[in-house]
Amino acid sequence: DIQMTQSPSSLSASEGDRVTITCRASQSVSTYLNWYQQKPGKAPKLLIYAASTLQGGVPSRFSGSGSGTHFTLTISSLQREDFATYYCQQSYRTLFTFGPGTKVAI
Amino acid sequence: QVQLVESGGGLVKPGGSLRLSCAASGFTFSDHYMSWIRQAPGKGLEWVSYISNTGSPTYYADSVKGRFTISRDNAKNLLYLQMNSLRAEDTAVYYCARDAIVDSWGQGTLVAVSS
Repeated sequence: DIQMTQSPSSLSASEGDRVTITCRASQSVSTYLNWYQQKPGKAPKLLIYAASTLQGGVPSRFSGSGSGTHFTLTISSLQREDFATYYCQQSYRTLFTFGPGTKVAI
Repeated sequence: QVQLVESGGGLVKPGGSLRLSCAASGFTFSDHYMSWIRQAPGKGLEWVSYISNTGSPTYYADSVKGRFTISRDNAKNLLYLQMNSLRAEDTAVYYCARDAIVDSWGQGTLVAVSS
């Protein structure tokens, strides 16, 4: 199985801050890497797929980059509604494992 | 619009069984791979099982292999998860999800395994 790690596991930030979350895969997943946002009590929401493609309706302050084993999710200017937990997920090989999550808090 | 509605969750004793269902609408169900993904209370997401659009092949997490069975009825637009020999560690919200890049999720159904 492909193992996914994320760093940091949590972070504190303020509105307007630039935030970067890192995701690493235990082996190359090419660009088969997706990012999700989850708020308490809700299902996750797809933000970015194929490492850098923004899902429709997602604000442009979100961006993704990387390939192979190292990926990043960047929020250019944090808004109040962005406080949530973020997960990366590889869709290169079944089962499509998730990272452990990064909680972004105030 | 795409809608996935899970049902069948509840409280069950260790060793018991439960069958989850997911009713799909708003898209051509038989064109899509489907999955069950779970989230234990306060924990992260775990991909449990995955089924092709035709019903075979299927894939399972090691944690549920031999105990859970995923299946689908394309005529009725239904996805199932038969869960046997349930353990406390299976306690979670179970989500129905479409495709490997999950752009559509159900609202989740809670399975609680406790004596």
